[in-house]
Formats: sequence, structure tokens, C-alpha cells
Amino acid sequence: GAGVSQSPSNKVTEKGKDVELRCDPISGHTALYWYRQSLGQGLEFLIYFQGNSAPDKSGLPSDRFSAERTGGSVSTLTIQRTQQEDSAVYLCASSQTGGAVGELFFGEGSRLTVL
Amino acid sequence: SQQGEEDPQALSIQEGENATMNCSYKTSINNLQWYRQNSGRGLVHLILIRSNEREKHSGRLRVTLDTSKKSSSLLITASRAADTASYFCATAPNTGNQFYFGTGTSLTVIP
Repeated sequence: GAGVSQSPSNKVTEKGKDVELRCDPISGHTALYWYRQSLGQGLEFLIYFQGNSAPDKSGLPSDRFSAERTGGSVSTLTIQRTQQEDSAVYLCASSQTGGAVGELFFGEGSRLTVL
Repeated sequence: SQQGEEDPQALSIQEGENATMNCSYKTSINNLQWYRQNSGRGLVHLILIRSNEREKHSGRLRVTLDTSKKSSSLLITASRAADTASYFCATAPNTGNQFYFGTGTSLTVIP
């Protein structure tokens, strides 16, 4: 596609349920990032994928969070046993190259509300 | 924290005036970028300045970088109501893969 696509755009779930958020990056972009943005806050880094290298998971806040990137393209962020503090907008971004040297192209985000 | 910090947190100006936002950071960087976010939307890249550059222009945008002070500024000249948005700086440290974002400046341009 022309841009980074994220789904769902909005997700409301009950505390304790699992959720999956999907990101379809720009074709050919080797780097993919997940960030979390809480209301009125900056972006919190979660995880980074670059080509076939092992992902940088240093930003994942707990073991309830996991992500994968299949075939170097689509990525899924999974949150297990959701908690109210997980409520935020989850933003995905891709970049043509890795190593934080180029610009990021962001999707519109997935807004997660945990009741 | 290695995050950048924008200053001011909020800025309100009249259309036609200039808007200046500042960003301070803590570590040595490879580059610094500015992004814009309209309410409820994703971030859009505005401009990238490398560590060996001091100033860069793009249309009505002017970015400066002072690596000795670990600070950058974004100037929007002749502001328009459509410039109303949040503006974030993102720093890319010399080592590592991630970008560090500040908490943003919320700009309101009054028509």
C-alpha cells in the first residue's frame, strides 16, 4: 500500500482479555517500530524489527507484551491479560533503512481501551 | 531518560506570527528529526537534521541544531490555522536502533 496501515483503528476490551494489533508497513521498508502513546504524552518505544535480525525488545513493558514480524513484512503486537494501564494509542512506523538514520513513516495508530 | 524534551509544552499564537519550539536532549546523536501530529492521527515527518549540520530549511520551516548545548529549535514562519498540531522532536543516538521522542509542544494558531 501507499502508507503504513494499522488495524483495528479502535479496540475496546475487558480487563484480562488478550488483544492483537496489526501493522502493515510500506512495501520494501526493512525497519519496523512499535511505539505506545498515552493520552497527552510522548511516544514510548516498545520494539524494533530490522530485516532478519533479532528484534530489539528492550522497550516492552512486561512479559504480557510480545510482537512478531512475519516474512519481513506484517507485524502483530499481542498484549495478553490486558490491564487498564495498557489503554493507549499503539503506533507502528516503518523506515526504509534501519539504524535510526532515516525518517519514520507512521500509521494512524490503534487506540486501545481496556475497561 | 534519553528522551528529548520540548519547550514550551503549549503555545498559542495568532495567524501570521512565527512559532518557535525548542528541544533539548541528553546523549550524543546521529540525527534529530521533527514530527507533527494532528489530533487523533499518526505522526508525519517534517524535517531531519544531521549531527554535522547546524541549520536546515524546508518551506516555512527552519530547524537549528546546537550539539554543544544538545538542543534544537523548530521555527514555523507566517503560521496558518492549519499548522495547529502537536510537534515532537525525535533523537537518534549514535548507538542503538530506536528514536527517542519528547512529550511534544501543542501549537494552536488562532485565525
